[in-house]
Formats: sequence, C-alpha cells, structure tokens
Amino acid sequence: DGGITQSPKYLFRKEGQNVTLSCEQNLNHDAMYWYRQDPGQGLRLIYYSQIVNDFQKGDIAEGYSVSREKKESFPLTVTSAQKNPTAFYLCASSTRGTDSYEQYFGPGTRLTVT
Amino acid sequence: GIQVEQSPPDLILQEGANSTLRCNFSDSVNNLQWFHQNPWGQLINLFYIPSGTKQNGRLSATTVATERYSLLYISSSQTTDSGVYFCAVDPSGGGADGLTFGKGTHLIIQP
Repeated sequence: DGGITQSPKYLFRKEGQNVTLSCEQNLNHDAMYWYRQDPGQGLRLIYYSQIVNDFQKGDIAEGYSVSREKKESFPLTVTSAQKNPTAFYLCASSTRGTDSYEQYFGPGTRLTVT
Repeated sequence: GIQVEQSPPDLILQEGANSTLRCNFSDSVNNLQWFHQNPWGQLINLFYIPSGTKQNGRLSATTVATERYSLLYISSSQTTDSGVYFCAVDPSGGGADGLTFGKGTHLIIQP
C-alpha cells in the first residue's frame, strides 16, 4: 500500500529541546518537501529536496534543518533556534523530470512546545 | 515571490447548493493543485490542473493560465464537502519545487 507516513501524530517538547519529525514514502518519488501550517493559515514551505544528498531552503527555513540520506526518507529537525515551533507539520513528495509534478501529502505531525 | 489569493474566505451553504471557489495567482505557473483539508488536517488531492478543465464526479476545475486564475466548482453540495479548500501553485520552470499556498476557503455545508 503506497503512501507517505509521518510519525508521531502528536509530539510534545519543552522549550530549548531539539526535536526530529519523521517522514517516509514508498511511492518511489524523487522529490520531498516539508511545510508548516499555523491555525487558520495556508501551508508555508520550510525545505525541499529534489534528489538524495541535496536539499534547498524554502520560505521559512530559519530554525530548521533536514537531511536526505535515502530516497525514501526526509527527516526534519526543529531546533531550539526556531522561535515559534508550535505548529502542524506536513511532509509531501512528488515525481520530477516528468510532465506531472503533483504533490502528495502525509497525515502530518502536530508539535506543541511549552 | 508569487502571490496566491483565494476567494471567498468563508462560504456557508445549504446541502444541495452549488458553489464556485476562485484562485488568482500573480505569475505564470508550472503546477497548480486544489486540495481539500479534512477536520483531521489531512490534505486530500482534488485536482492537478496547471491549465485546462477537469471533472471528477460532483467536482470540476478550470484553470485559465493566460489570465492567471483557477476555479473549483462543487455541485449538489453534501455535508461531507465541508472543510477548507486550498489552491497551491509552483511558479518555477523546472518543476518539483515547493508549492505556494493561498489562505484557503472555509466551506460549511449545512444540512
């Protein structure tokens, strides 16, 4: 059953701690993405990766870091430098180099930092 | 960067009514998608439609790329259609870059 999985669904952390959110896909997609959603708002792009071992900053990369060591995995670390980390985080993936770049999303992780 | 504006921001309708949601964007795009976000936050793909017209059951979408807008039509609304509808675009020529989202249209269908 192909898809995108994110874990955990809910995550609670104390201020000052780094936390890593998991994203795995078995769709054989080359490109993967991380977005952040705040209440009542649209999604904003944090980082994206078009191929393994390469990634690009999105619109709001400050305070976040990523790695792309495997095609299937694109973990996101929310560092203590991120000033407002509490949000809903969504991971997505897509093909590249074809006629369609349709993105598909995982179920998301709700992070609460107190 | 590219601007994406959705209208109306909120829409309340009775079951069975038809609706039209609009998405305006400020530059040419390589990718345009419509999503429905359900109450659990899951984004459900409705259409991938950088240009042209597509239909899927009671939903249809049209993108007029030369005039930089897209429309999502929902006919014979059901209460399960309630939720937030997002339009998102990727302006890059190379594709497979990130999407820029509008703020969404919050649709409530009353029984």
